Amino acid sequence: DQQVKQNSPSLSVQEGRISILNCDYTNSMFDYFLWYKKYPAEGPTFLISISSIKDKNEDGRFTVFLNKSAKHLSLHIVPSQPGDSAVYFCAASEYGNKLVFGAGTILRVKS
Amino acid sequence: EADIYQTPRYLVIGTGKKITLECSQTMGHDKMYWYQQDPGMELHLIHYSYGVNSTEKGDLSSESTVSRIRTEHFPLTLESARPSHTSQYLCATQDRGIGKLFFGSGTQLSVL
Repeated sequence: DQQVKQNSPSLSVQEGRISILNCDYTNSMFDYFLWYKKYPAEGPTFLISISSIKDKNEDGRFTVFLNKSAKHLSLHIVPSQPGDSAVYFCAASEYGNKLVFGAGTILRVKS
Repeated sequence: EADIYQTPRYLVIGTGKKITLECSQTMGHDKMYWYQQDPGMELHLIHYSYGVNSTEKGDLSSESTVSRIRTEHFPLTLESARPSHTSQYLCATQDRGIGKLFFGSGTQLSVL
């Protein structure tokens, strides 16, 4: 039973445009959400996070939105750059414990 | 500099061999994790530890074992490798506070 779902396996965006990556979760006890970026044969690197007491968190070009009633979060990247091309994982945890990850979305930014 | 070190980065071995994947950290974190990841799939938690002499199995059944004798060191051992063990193995540490994970570069294991 997948508690964190990323339903889009891939996304292709033109350089300079907005990239929107989506994530849904089923466990209403999740209170902390994170996005990670991963290149092939490397470990994931942390991008941005959001606590369940907020609905938006911004860090430079990256913004995460949380809709608790819909159990949905999204990552916006503006403007998208070719270096953003990677796999993006959504993750969630309950009380700061073990993270549960989605299957990832491959983002391709075309120049 | 605080970091997480995984060795080897790449390993190709034959079926039946015993292997140990090394993970060491200078982050100063008590919590450590092993995840397994295949292309297009989630990261699956296979083992975790909240401190010295504390280890637990994760959500994904695994034939591997781990030990935590020192805070900095969390090795993973496969007694008899099989082709089904071919995967990327990721070691991570976690800050005591909010829950963000820090990952090492991973070990890409291929069992022939």
